[in-house]
Amino acid sequence: SQQGEEDPQALSIQEGENATMNCSYKTSINNLQWYRQNSGRGLVHLILIRSNEREKHSGRLRVTLDTSKKSSSLLITASRAADTASYFCATGGGGYQKVTFGTGTKLQVIP
Amino acid sequence: KAGVTQTPRYLIKTRGQQVTLSCSPISGHRSVSWYQQTPGQGLQFLFEYFSETQRNKGNFPGRFSGRQFSNSRSEMNVSTLELGDSALYLCASNTPEGTQYFGPGTRLTVL
Repeated sequence: SQQGEEDPQALSIQEGENATMNCSYKTSINNLQWYRQNSGRGLVHLILIRSNEREKHSGRLRVTLDTSKKSSSLLITASRAADTASYFCATGGGGYQKVTFGTGTKLQVIP
Repeated sequence: KAGVTQTPRYLIKTRGQQVTLSCSPISGHRSVSWYQQTPGQGLQFLFEYFSETQRNKGNFPGRFSGRQFSNSRSEMNVSTLELGDSALYLCASNTPEGTQYFGPGTRLTVL
C-alpha cells in the first residue's frame, strides 16, 4: 500500500507557468523526499526536507512541509518542457524504516 | 562517482521460468533497495539489504527473493514467473539518511 497520496494525479500546464503538486502521508516522519521519473526510467532524487524544516529551495524547486497536516507541496517555477515527468513524494528511509512512495503526479508541460 | 548500474536492461521470459536481476550500487553505499513498478500498482517496495542482511521486506510472495554480496552488489530472483510479474524493476542505492539513487531499471516482460 502507498503511504503517500499525490494530488493532482495529472497536471497539464503551459511552458513558463508554475506547477504545484501536493503530497499527503499518514504516519509521522523523519524526512520527506521528492523524486522525478521520466517515462520508463529510474527515479531521480530532487530534494529532501527534514521534519523540523518548513520550507526548502533548490533552483526552481520549492518544497514545503506541514507536519501538523501531514502534507507537503512541491512547486516548480517557470516550468520547461523538460520538466515533463512524473513526480513522487516518499517518506521513511534511513536505518530500519523502509521508504514508501506516493502514487505520483504526472506533469505535462506544453511548449 | 559512478552511478547505479542494473543488468540486464531488458529481459523477455516465458511463464514458469525464473530470472535473476543484478544491481551494483554507488561505491561506499551499503544499502540497496528493490522496487517493482507497474502501471496498475505503481511503485511497490520489494526488499532492502544492508551489509548482506535483509533489513526490510515488502508484501510479495516467496517467489521473489534477493541477496547482497560482500561488495554490496545485490541480486534479486523471481522464480516460476507469472504474466503479472511483467514490470520495471528498479534498484536504489541508499544513503544512511534515506536518500535513494536509482538505477535505470530492468524491464521484464513475461510471455
